[in-house]
Amino acid sequence: GAVVSQHPSRVICKSGTSVKIECRSLDFQATTMFWYRQFPKQSLMLMATSNEGSKATYEQGVEKDKFLINHASLTLSTLTVTSAHPEDSSFYICSARTASREGLNEQFFGPGTRLTVL
Amino acid sequence: GQNIDQPTEMTATEGAIVQINCTYQTSGFNGLFWYQQHAGEAPTFLSYNVLDGLEEKGRFSSFLSRSKGYSYLLLKELQMKDSASYLCAVSEGDYKLSFGAGTTVTVRA
Repeated sequence: GAVVSQHPSRVICKSGTSVKIECRSLDFQATTMFWYRQFPKQSLMLMATSNEGSKATYEQGVEKDKFLINHASLTLSTLTVTSAHPEDSSFYICSARTASREGLNEQFFGPGTRLTVL
Repeated sequence: GQNIDQPTEMTATEGAIVQINCTYQTSGFNGLFWYQQHAGEAPTFLSYNVLDGLEEKGRFSSFLSRSKGYSYLLLKELQMKDSASYLCAVSEGDYKLSFGAGTTVTVRA
């Protein structure tokens, strides 16, 4: 249980185009999803917190107009990188939060999406 | 915010034990997680500590001291497949996770 999928796993796009990444919780409902970005040999940096049915909360320094987040249902959140530039090339990872029977507020991570902007 | 520190790299021999330390400073502690991440893959959950003490799960154990802002992950009977990055992450009251930079463990034969 507690499987999170991401699509696509890899995407290459031209500079100036927009790319949409989907994050789905497959066998549980996730009221909260998180979007992270990871540059090579660096740790995960939280970009935004996405709550179903409400606006995402962005971390300081993350442009909300560039990284559009939509959390339309309890199992799906999308991240759209608008007008992508080479510096947006990174590994984007989502996670979904669920409270386990033991009350553990655990986050389950998706497999990540490797974005390369040419 | 948090200040999470862990060593950058560690090397150990197959079959040995390695201890990865993590220190943190946070205003609203809600638990500490350890994740394993292989290159190019997403992190996988290893352990969670919210109370002081040692949590043991097979070859992996994790310890927490809240008063000292300190945790460690202990890997026993190291195997080649344990070569990976190990991430310490602290959860605050709003369930957001803040990650340390990660410790790259290399297991040598």
